[in-house]
Amino acid sequence: QQQVKQSPQSLIVQKGGISIINCAYENTAFDYFPWYQQFPGKGPALLIAIRPDVSEKKEGRFTISFNKSAKQFSLHIMDSQPGDSATYFCAATPGAAGNKLTFGGGTRVLVKP
Amino acid sequence: DSGVTQTPKHLITATGQRVTLRCSPRSGDLSVYWYQQSLDQGLQFLIQYYNGEERAKGNILERFSAQQFPDLHSELNLSSLELGDSALYFCASSVVGGSGEQFFGPGTRLTVL
Repeated sequence: QQQVKQSPQSLIVQKGGISIINCAYENTAFDYFPWYQQFPGKGPALLIAIRPDVSEKKEGRFTISFNKSAKQFSLHIMDSQPGDSATYFCAATPGAAGNKLTFGGGTRVLVKP
Repeated sequence: DSGVTQTPKHLITATGQRVTLRCSPRSGDLSVYWYQQSLDQGLQFLIQYYNGEERAKGNILERFSAQQFPDLHSELNLSSLELGDSALYFCASSVVGGSGEQFFGPGTRLTVL
């Protein structure tokens, strides 16, 4: 059973545009929600993360919005750049730090110059 | 560079064979996780070790096993290999009790012919 559903599977955005990726989870025990960025041939790299006690977190051009009641969270990439072209994964983990990550299916983002 | 190292980078072998994948965590990280990334299954958690002890198991086949050594490096052993085992295998490490961040290595690409 897929516990973290991610959409869309792929998206194309023009340079300077906004990329939006959505994730929904089922397990209410999840309390840490990271986003990872992966380039071809590389390992996933932690981009930004959020806990349920805040509704939004911003780091540079990347923003996570979190809706605890809806069990949904999203990544917004502002002013998208060609260098942002990568696959993005949302993830979730329950309880205290040190638990396994459950990943969404990934979103392949292509930023056109 | 996440500080997590994995060897080898690529591995090509035949069905029925056995291989060993190696991971060195970031300095100071006691916890090591193994994940499998395939096109049809996405990123899936396999197993976690903490300070030499198995801590959690995910969707790991009985043909697969892992261990963590006193110097904290970890090895993932895959035996009786099948074509479907072809995938990227990632190791991640974290500081248990910290923020929950997991840092991924560059991965080992396994091809079973």
